[in-house]
Amino acid sequence: GDSVTQTEGLVTLTKGLPVMLNCTYQTTYSPFLFWYVQHLNEAPKLLLKSSTDNKRTEHQGFYATLHKSSSSFHLQKSSVQLSDSALYFCAMLSGSFNKLTFGAGTRLAVCP
Amino acid sequence: NSKVIQTPRYLVKGQGQKAKMRCIPEKGHPVVFWYQQNKNNEFKFLINFQNQEVLQQIDMTEKRFSAECPSNSPCSLEIQSSEAGDSALYLCASSGQGAYAEQFFGPGTRLTVL
Repeated sequence: GDSVTQTEGLVTLTKGLPVMLNCTYQTTYSPFLFWYVQHLNEAPKLLLKSSTDNKRTEHQGFYATLHKSSSSFHLQKSSVQLSDSALYFCAMLSGSFNKLTFGAGTRLAVCP
Repeated sequence: NSKVIQTPRYLVKGQGQKAKMRCIPEKGHPVVFWYQQNKNNEFKFLINFQNQEVLQQIDMTEKRFSAECPSNSPCSLEIQSSEAGDSALYLCASSGQGAYAEQFFGPGTRLTVL
């Protein structure tokens, strides 16, 4: 079946440093990938989405490129801020009815 | 910003009790999803609707869980007989119609089963 893998459970960084959060996927469908961010006690919010191979998508300083050859959609930012501390989920549309399959999530902790 | 409304925000039940939570999707969104996020932050899809019709649901939903999205009323998810393992954040999301439509999430109902 469809699956999404996020290898890092926790990433701790100092403010101003770059970050990359890994996401790989498996699907028999044409892939449509998302990154959601969830701050404490808040709803998950869409950060990025893509279904186009090798095209970079950007929002709020974050960016990601869907690479179908490696089944990856890694999230990057060149300089993290304290406000970026949150849970980040990679997700993929699965099946015919648009349900999302989520990865296990990566907690990003940014220190002063 | 999402305008999906979920009530109550917190729900505490004893084992065997019914637990019911509600969701008002964003205006104009005909598709509603329910997801369960457990204490390890893992998401599980439960069920989705288009208008009042069930599109897809998992086995767990078919047995102890019931859900509906009646016309002109909030959608609801009800657990008939709560178990400790049901303690989780229940997230409702809504979207427009069509493939690849973005899902907007509500803040969730946090259920604790004692």
